[in-house]
Amino acid sequence: QVQLQESGPGLVKPSQTLSLTCTVSGGSISSGGYYWSWIRQHPGKGLEWIGYIYYSGSTYYNPSLKSRVTISVDTSKNQFSLKLSSVTAADTAVYYCAREPFSGGIDYWGQGTLVTVSS
Amino acid sequence: DIVMTQTPLSLSVTPGQPASISCKSSQSLLHSDGKTYLYWYLQKPGQPPQLLIYEVSNRFSGVPDRFSGSGSGTDFTLKISRVEAEDVGVYYCMQSIQLPLFFGGGTKVEIK
Repeated sequence: QVQLQESGPGLVKPSQTLSLTCTVSGGSISSGGYYWSWIRQHPGKGLEWIGYIYYSGSTYYNPSLKSRVTISVDTSKNQFSLKLSSVTAADTAVYYCAREPFSGGIDYWGQGTLVTVSS
Repeated sequence: DIVMTQTPLSLSVTPGQPASISCKSSQSLLHSDGKTYLYWYLQKPGQPPQLLIYEVSNRFSGVPDRFSGSGSGTDFTLKISRVEAEDVGVYYCMQSIQLPLFFGGGTKVEIK
């Protein structure tokens, strides 16, 4: 069974860039058939889809965040990453990485990591 | 964007009793391929969401058969036939017919 694990700094200063990595185990990102996604959840709130990447490098970002988001993939490490620039306190959230099958939906999620934006 | 609206916001249920959650989408989730791209998730306290139901009515691997999904077009329902203590958490519906993916606001289920 595939497992995903987020890693990265838990505290980021305002105006800086948030950087997170998701390590995938139990399956290869390069095997195809799946998009690899980032979703966030503001404290006590609902879920916001950020975007995804395919192993080839093609991406799609939520238009609400598109100007600040970059998702990249490193197939040699079986990892994909999120960068969110010019962060503010409004970007404080739990960030999840997840797998989206081509058939639709999201089937597996990482445990999530809390990122706090504060000076 | 396709907006997903869930009702009720919260639900308090006696163990062994049924529960029902509604989800309405602002556009039809029926694709030309014949599939309807509506999903249900449960987020237990302190955990990530877990997939319960895919394509309206299909239970994901390991999901108990007390969970069932129904609906079509823009109106969908998740039913729990007999609520158990382990079913507490927030339930979300989600559409994936169109990007960006959108989730409902969530329904919190508590045990009386």
